[in-house]
Amino acid sequence: EPEVTQTPSHQVTQMGQEVILRCVPISNHLYFYWYRQILGQKVEFLVSFYNNEISEKSEIFDDQFSVERPDGSNFTLKIRSTKLEDSAMYFCAIVLAGVQYEQYFGPGTRLTVT
Amino acid sequence: AQSVTQLDSQVPVFEEAPVELRCNYSSSVSVYLFWYVQYPNQGLQLLLKYLSGSTLVESINGFEAEFNKSQTSFHLRKPSVHISDTAEYFCAVLYSGAGSYQLTFGKGTKLSVIP
Repeated sequence: EPEVTQTPSHQVTQMGQEVILRCVPISNHLYFYWYRQILGQKVEFLVSFYNNEISEKSEIFDDQFSVERPDGSNFTLKIRSTKLEDSAMYFCAIVLAGVQYEQYFGPGTRLTVT
Repeated sequence: AQSVTQLDSQVPVFEEAPVELRCNYSSSVSVYLFWYVQYPNQGLQLLLKYLSGSTLVESINGFEAEFNKSQTSFHLRKPSVHISDTAEYFCAVLYSGAGSYQLTFGKGTKLSVIP
């Protein structure tokens, strides 16, 4: 399985603060995705990113969220003003070129908003 | 709306016993089906997938799943479980069409293997 790392592994922040979660894929990739998993609930799709553009987003992905590739390799998810309900595990996933439909997930970042 | 149902939130089973984790999805013309496994304090690992071809797919560690189009199911089975299989298992569906690649997940089933 291709390696995807995410930093930080755990982030604690106060309500209203901005957070940036990072995803670093190790090998060739075609698509990036962000998902989240609120404790005890199902994994939910947030956004997909292809060719430096958002290709698809869910209703969860409102104006408080943004994604970008600041240096051509890292892929970031920013939450501008965190709310208590943003507390969740956030997973980055990638699809490799030529391995269509298979999404490989990173280990996740646990975000705790206090 | 597309949905994936995993009816069992927790499944305890004795070591070396067989297990079946159930997954049903809302019907669609074209779907791709996946099982992911999440070990404690780790991320989601792709266990097996059905994209096309044979409806029975297998993983390297003895799990298998069968795509049943008429019943819209993709149940996961293992004939003899090990302690190391203790984890949470997620069924996921990719509803192809209109260029969408987002996965829809079930709520997960926690498999506990009892020594």
